[in-house]
Amino acid sequence: AQSVTQLGSHVSVSEGALVLLRCNYSSSVPPYLFWYVQYPNQGLQLLLKYTSAATLVKGINGFEAEFKKSETSFHLTKPSAHMSDAAEYFCAVRDKNQGGKLIFGQGTELSVKP
Amino acid sequence: EAQVTQNPRYLITVTGKKLTVTCSQNMNHEYMSWYRQDPGLGLRQIYYSMNVEVTDKGDVPEGYKVSRKEKRNFPLILESPSPNQTSLYFCASSLSAQGSIYEQYFGPGTRLTVT
Repeated sequence: AQSVTQLGSHVSVSEGALVLLRCNYSSSVPPYLFWYVQYPNQGLQLLLKYTSAATLVKGINGFEAEFKKSETSFHLTKPSAHMSDAAEYFCAVRDKNQGGKLIFGQGTELSVKP
Repeated sequence: EAQVTQNPRYLITVTGKKLTVTCSQNMNHEYMSWYRQDPGLGLRQIYYSMNVEVTDKGDVPEGYKVSRKEKRNFPLILESPSPNQTSLYFCASSLSAQGSIYEQYFGPGTRLTVT
């Protein structure tokens, strides 16, 4: 079965610093991978997705993620954190064999210090 | 505006009192799904629907029912709620589950407390 692991339930960075949120997946077939962001009291919003077209994927709000098959990773980065980036971030893989459901990691809460 | 709507947004109820959380999408999506979000566990799928009249269990279906009589609506029914169903619930939809490349659009969430 496919699974997703996010390293670090809480990450804190200073404003202007690099953001790195880690995600590793397990899958026996090429996966479809997603990063979602959840702002307080809101639903999930898609940041970016990997669907095997290009290994470096650019998303909204300056975020990007790189698919590395050899490392089974799909880490999310942003060169310079902004206060408005404070939110919870979820990495997910979409399971082609189980009704297309999204399998989520446990989430990483990002705090941005002034 | 393309969106997924859920009602109610907040609900406090008592054990055993039947309730329904509605979900509606206006994007003509085939696929709809319900998830629950609990701290430290991420989101887990409760039920999903590939199309009208086609529903199936997800990872945590116990205590829940769903129906898909129309393409746009996918209500979640708790026949006899219990405190362990206290959670944040999200409805989601996508164009199709075929190929699985399509993103899922999420509703704003329903925070349910069962006392």
